[in-house]
Amino acid sequence: QKEVEQDPGPLSVPEGAIVSLNCTYSNSAFQYFMWYRQYSRKGPELLMYTYSSGNKEDGRFTAQVDKSSKYISLFIRDSQPSDSATYLCAMSAQTGGFKTIFGAGTRLFVKA
Amino acid sequence: SQTIHQWPATLVQPVGSPLSLECTVEGTSNPNLYWYRQAAGRGLQLLFYSVGIGQISSEVPQNLSASRPQDRQFILSSKKLLLSDSGFYLCAWRTDTVAYGYTFGSGTRLTVV
Repeated sequence: QKEVEQDPGPLSVPEGAIVSLNCTYSNSAFQYFMWYRQYSRKGPELLMYTYSSGNKEDGRFTAQVDKSSKYISLFIRDSQPSDSATYLCAMSAQTGGFKTIFGAGTRLFVKA
Repeated sequence: SQTIHQWPATLVQPVGSPLSLECTVEGTSNPNLYWYRQAAGRGLQLLFYSVGIGQISSEVPQNLSASRPQDRQFILSSKKLLLSDSGFYLCAWRTDTVAYGYTFGSGTRLTVV
């Protein structure tokens, strides 16, 4: 079993839709949860960061962590064609020396 | 502001040839530096990381090596490339503050033929 599981997609939605991207994980020690966005042929860029459980909102993006279910989500409201990219979840734990484990990424297409 | 430079963007190399990828960081001192490889459909695989000049930790035993000759320079090398070395190589830096996450370079697409 992989430490972090992420549906690779692709996920195709119309412009303006609400997008839900998810990851599950197996290591209960993970405390730091991140979402990266990666455009084609580019390096990933940090989009959202959450510590422990709860929600965090930044503009059209909301990150949610449910540690009891070992499940994290990224919601994108009013999706735009410019949101078309691959989204990678990532997580780390202090006990692991903050080694970061990445999901495989979900490819998202937002159609105009 | 901090920036990270990585080159070349694309590289096609024959099997058995050497490799040298370079990464430099500007705007920060003593960064933690990382080399990752990304294969299609798979997560980022950590290859090497460095917390200081000459200090290299290897995560995956393989055909590659890394060096850090200067504080803000990180080099990924191979003496003889294998077909399996093809992939998207990413250099990254991070401070000790996990919340800041990684800053990645733009990557090198390596195809070994």
